[in-house]
Amino acid sequence: GAGVSQSPRYKVAKRGQDVALRCDPISGHVSLFWYQQALGQGPEFLTYFQNEAQLDKSGLPSDRFFAERPEGSVSTLKIQRTQQEDSAVYLCASSRNPGGDYGYTFGSGTRLTVV
Amino acid sequence: DAKTTQPTSMDCAEGRAANLPCNHSTISGNEYVYWYRQIHSQGPQYIIHGLKNNETNEMASLIITEDRKSSTLILPHATLRDTAVYYCIVRGHGSSNTGKLIFGQGTTLQVKP
Repeated sequence: GAGVSQSPRYKVAKRGQDVALRCDPISGHVSLFWYQQALGQGPEFLTYFQNEAQLDKSGLPSDRFFAERPEGSVSTLKIQRTQQEDSAVYLCASSRNPGGDYGYTFGSGTRLTVV
Repeated sequence: DAKTTQPTSMDCAEGRAANLPCNHSTISGNEYVYWYRQIHSQGPQYIIHGLKNNETNEMASLIITEDRKSSTLILPHATLRDTAVYYCIVRGHGSSNTGKLIFGQGTTLQVKP
């Protein structure tokens, strides 16, 4: 597609509920990134995929967070047993280059609100 | 990756040049300077990047000092649509890099009519 597509655009979850956030990267892009952006803060790195391989998951805040990209295209970020501190915008980005060298393209994000 | 320092906020008159400074005094020789911006309710947008030479594209110009310890992003004719948070980020390239961008607080640029 023309850009990085994320769905849903907004998600309200009750505390303790599991959620799944989807990212459709630009076709052919090998690199895919997830970031978390709390209100009033800059985005914070969560994880990085090169094709289907998850090469860096150092930013995932806890074992409740899990990301996958099984066929090297679409990716899903799953959060289990959501808590209020998980409320944030979750941003996905992709790049044609390994490591995102020379810049990458972000989606508009999914705003997650945990009540 | 090297840390960057930017002013918290800046104003610019519409139609004038906006010059956004960034300090990165601990930058390593193989690290690039990147600029992204984030317009309200959107994801960040890549603007430009450079290593040591000045760079220009359709969006902006990047001026890097000779010692590479600071840089300036220039929007030559700012419009109201350029109102955004601008992030200066330093990162390396290549196999040792996992692509992580470390965003600071950025500079909030307000373009005024």
